[in-house]
Amino acid sequence: KNEVEQSPQNLTAQEGEFITINCSYSVGISALHWLQQHPGGGIVSLFMLSSGKKKHGRLIATINIQEKHSSLHITASHPRDSAVYICAVRIIQGAQKLVFGQGTRLTINP
Amino acid sequence: DVKVTQSSRYLVKRTGEKVFLECVQDMDHENMFWYRQDPGLGLRLIYFSYDVKMKEKGDIPEGYSVSREKKERFSLILESASTNQTSMYLCASSRRFRSNQPQHFGDGTRLSIL
Repeated sequence: KNEVEQSPQNLTAQEGEFITINCSYSVGISALHWLQQHPGGGIVSLFMLSSGKKKHGRLIATINIQEKHSSLHITASHPRDSAVYICAVRIIQGAQKLVFGQGTRLTINP
Repeated sequence: DVKVTQSSRYLVKRTGEKVFLECVQDMDHENMFWYRQDPGLGLRLIYFSYDVKMKEKGDIPEGYSVSREKKERFSLILESASTNQTSMYLCASSRRFRSNQPQHFGDGTRLSIL
């Protein structure tokens, strides 16, 4: 079993819909990252959080440390949000490294 | 803004060739990482370096080596390329861990071994 599990693996929605991507992990962590990868490959860091909630524009990330779970929400989704969203955790031991989920491929249709 | 630059976006090589992938970062980061990304497997760490001339094996180091002679440059070497090394390779850098620091990624090199 992977230490970081994302769901769903693929998600297709219509423009304007509210999107939720989930991430569960099985190890102790010091931080969780949400990353975005557009077609072509480059990866951008969206959020880094260790507790609570963060918001940037239409994106919201939450984390529940006790339940070992994080969610990434997108409000008023737009076709330009189409990308692969990746959850990654920094485990407490060996903390220089990240452990990655498999990613969620999001497609927003106009 | 941090810039992580990978030398090639696309590369095609033949089985048995020695292949060099280069990565340069311009923010004086101590840590640098090489990952490969395959469908269904996500990103997997090949090697990382936390200082010049220092390196540590990641999860899948077999068939690869690395070189870090200067702080800004981290090279991934495929000693004798094989078809199962066809993949997307991503380089990243970050500040040395004191508090949580994000990793900054390059655009990736899509490598095909024929």
